[in-house]
Amino acid sequence: DAGVTQSPTHLIKTRGQQVTLRCSPKSGHDTVSWYQQALGQGPQFIFQYYEEEERQRGNFPDRFSGHQFPNYSSELNVNALLLGDSALYLCASSLDMSGRGYTFGSGTRLTVV
Amino acid sequence: AQTVTQSQPEMSVQEAETVTLSCTYDTSENNYYLFWYKQPPSRQMILVIRQEAYKQQNATENRFSVNFQKAAKSFSLKISDSQLGDTAMYFCALLSPVFQNNAGNMLTFGGGTRLMVKP
Repeated sequence: DAGVTQSPTHLIKTRGQQVTLRCSPKSGHDTVSWYQQALGQGPQFIFQYYEEEERQRGNFPDRFSGHQFPNYSSELNVNALLLGDSALYLCASSLDMSGRGYTFGSGTRLTVV
Repeated sequence: AQTVTQSQPEMSVQEAETVTLSCTYDTSENNYYLFWYKQPPSRQMILVIRQEAYKQQNATENRFSVNFQKAAKSFSLKISDSQLGDTAMYFCALLSPVFQNNAGNMLTFGGGTRLMVKP
C-alpha cells in the first residue's frame, strides 16, 4: 500500500522564478494538505484540498496556489520565489477531512538562491 | 487563532529510561484532536499517538502515553523504556475544527523538541 509520494525530493531555484511541487496521496485518501517547514521550526499550514476545492487556507500570500486533480493528486505552485521560501514542503493526505489520521510524505526540500 | 507551545527545545534521556515531553495549546474550539508526531532525519512525519478532546481517558500506544489535561490545555507525551530509535524531533499538534462537514481543517504544530536517546 503506497504511502504519500512527493516529487521532486530536492529542488534549487533562483529568486523570482516559479516552482511546482507534486503530491500523490495515500491509496484511499481523498484530502490533501500542504505544509511549509522552515529549518528548525514546526510545519506551518498552507492550504487543504478536498473534492478539487480549497477548503482551508493558512496565512500565506497569493503567490502560493494549489490544485487538486480528479485522481486526488495535488500540486503546490509558488510564484515570484523569495529567499524566505526556502523550506521543506510537506504534503499530507487523509480521508474525508475527518482528521483522524494524516499520512505525511517525506517532503520536497526547496532552496531558493 | 490556535497556538501550540513546546517549551523544551532539546532533551536527552538514557536508553531504557523514561522521558516526558511537554506541550500546551490554546483553542476556542470544543472539538479537536491532539497529536504527537515524530520526525526522524528521513524528514517524514510519523504519527506517534492521537487524543480526541472529547475522550477523558488518556491515549496509550505501547511505550507511548499521554497526560491530557483539558482544562489546563496541556498535552504531555511520556516515552517509557526509551530506545535509540526514539531519537528524533517530536512535534505536538492540534487539529481543528473537526466534525464540520466540508469546512476543512488544519494542523497547528508546536516548535518541536529534539530528543536524543543516549546508549
